Formats: sequence, C-alpha cells, structure tokens
Amino acid sequence: NAGVTQTPKFRVLKTGQSMTLLCAQDMNHEYMYWYRQDPGMGLRLIHYSVGEGTTAKGEVPDGYNVSRLKKQNFLLGLESAAPSQTSVYFCASRFRDSPSKLFFGSGTQLSVL
Amino acid sequence: SQELEQSPQSLIVQEGKNLTINCTSSKTLYGLYWYKQKYGEGLIFLMMLQKGGEEKSHEKITAKLDEKKQQSSLHITASQPSHAGIYLCGAGASGGSNYKLTFGKGTLLTVNP
Repeated sequence: NAGVTQTPKFRVLKTGQSMTLLCAQDMNHEYMYWYRQDPGMGLRLIHYSVGEGTTAKGEVPDGYNVSRLKKQNFLLGLESAAPSQTSVYFCASRFRDSPSKLFFGSGTQLSVL
Repeated sequence: SQELEQSPQSLIVQEGKNLTINCTSSKTLYGLYWYKQKYGEGLIFLMMLQKGGEEKSHEKITAKLDEKKQQSSLHITASQPSHAGIYLCGAGASGGSNYKLTFGKGTLLTVNP
C-alpha cells in the first residue's frame, strides 16, 4: 500500500546546481500535482498534470520544469537552483472524478545554499 | 484567483476544550475541503462540503459550509492531543475548471495535555 511516494526525502543543493524530484503513485490516478509549502505562504501549486504526456503551469511555475512520461510518475526539475527555492515540496494525486480527495506524499525538504 | 483566508493562524487549547477554525473564500465556493497535516508529513483528507448548509462529521470533528457567507467552519469537540497539527482548507477553482485546488495558509493547533 505505497500510495504516493516522493524521493528523495531530504536534499541540500548549492546555488546553480540541478536536481529532479520524483513522485510515484500506484493508485492509477489521472491527475498529479506539485506543491511547495513555505512558512506564512501555505501550499502553492507549482505545476500539475491531468494525464500522461500533459502538464500545465500552476501558481508559481518559474524556475521549475515537469514531465509526465508515464501515468504513475510526475517529475519536478530544478535546472539552476536558487536559495528562494528552499522549501518543502509535496506531490499529490487524485482520480479525475474525485476533485476533493487528493492523496499526498510525505514531502521533500530541499535546502539551497 | 481564489484566495482562502483561515482564522486563527494558530491556536493553543487545553485538552478537552472545544474549538473552531474558520475558512473564508474571496470568491464563490464550488466546494470546500478540509485537510490535516501532522508535522513532517503530507496532508490527509478529512472531509468535503459541497452544498450550502451541508454539515459533515469525522470522529469528533464537524465541518459546516455557509455558501452565502462563502465560509466554512471546522469545529472540534473535546479536543485531544491527537488533534494537534495544521488544518488547511482547500477549494477548487471557480468557473467550472476544477483541475487546480488552492489552499488556505493553515491553522496550527496545539493541544496541551
């Protein structure tokens, strides 16, 4: 019963480095999301996908790219990390016909020095 | 874009006390969702409210939706330490597109034994 799995759980980067966060879900969900959570800002949507091969921008997409090559995976990439991208990142997924019930991963704590 | 304002931002109560958290939307609500987050973990779905006047309960947690006021309240009866965490309200984008869910900034609840 894995649900939504995020890797890695923790990462420290230097400014300018790149990395990819992986989100995998085993529930056959159509929709997948990437959020970032910052103190005083709440959860903000970065990018989302409504199906394999499709992605769309959310509220704060700048500095991030995503890909959904397989239905079960949603990758979040940082091409050139900046200190402003220090945050906790959450992946979530849901069925198309169940708009309210998002299933969340346990988060990735990213620090950019 | 739709904004959700939660109050209070934080709350400290003694075990056994009742409490209420409010969530007010800047736009018409087409459905409102409540989630709970424990420290270091992802969000867990609590309940969804769709119709004005609707009331739902999950164990000792009750939520109501007032469509006219564009507001929802979450009430915890006889609070326990297990209720501690961050409570977030979420809502789908207005105008029919329900791909994106936006969240309030959360209410941090501490329950002292």
